[in-house]
Amino acid sequence: AQSVTQPDIHITVSEGASLELRCNYSYGATPYLFWYVQSPGQGLQLLLKYFSGDTLVQGIKGFEAEFKRSQSSFNLRKPSVHWSDAAEYFCAVEDSGAGSYQLTFGKGTKLSVIP
Amino acid sequence: DSGVTQTPKHLITATGQRVTLRCSPRSGDLSVYWYQQSLDQGLQFLIQYYNGEERAKGNILERFSAQQFPDLHSELNLSSLELGDSALYFCASSDHEAGTTYEQYFGPGTRLTVT
Repeated sequence: AQSVTQPDIHITVSEGASLELRCNYSYGATPYLFWYVQSPGQGLQLLLKYFSGDTLVQGIKGFEAEFKRSQSSFNLRKPSVHWSDAAEYFCAVEDSGAGSYQLTFGKGTKLSVIP
Repeated sequence: DSGVTQTPKHLITATGQRVTLRCSPRSGDLSVYWYQQSLDQGLQFLIQYYNGEERAKGNILERFSAQQFPDLHSELNLSSLELGDSALYFCASSDHEAGTTYEQYFGPGTRLTVT
């Protein structure tokens, strides 16, 4: 079965600093990977996705992620964090077997931003 | 705004009771997914419907059931509620065909509190 690991439960960065959130996945076939963000009391918003092709994908709000098959990783990055980026971030892999497309999520990384 | 609506936003009920959560997918989306988010289990896939038919089941308890109606809205029924069922329940929708992958759009969630 597929699985997603987000090793960092909580990360604190200063506003303006760079950010990297780690994500490792386990999936037998070519993975379809996603990063979602959840602000307090809100639903999940898609930041970016990787299906195939260029391994560096750009998303909304200045985020990007790099797919590295050799490391089974899909880390999320942002060059300069804004206070409004404080939220919880979830990495997910899609199980496209049997026509389901259900998502398996990591446990999430909570990002705090120091002004 | 993802275009996915969920009602009610909050629900407080007692143990042993039954509740129904409602989800309206984005216009044109045929697939509806239900996820549960709890502190101990994280985000877990419960069940998926595609154009009125059950497509996949995840970690859904036997006390829980769902259906998708001809107008494509979906309902998640939770019965014999226990304290541990307190969670945030998300609905997501997507529009995909076999062999094609599309992202899932999440609703704002229904927060269920069982007392």
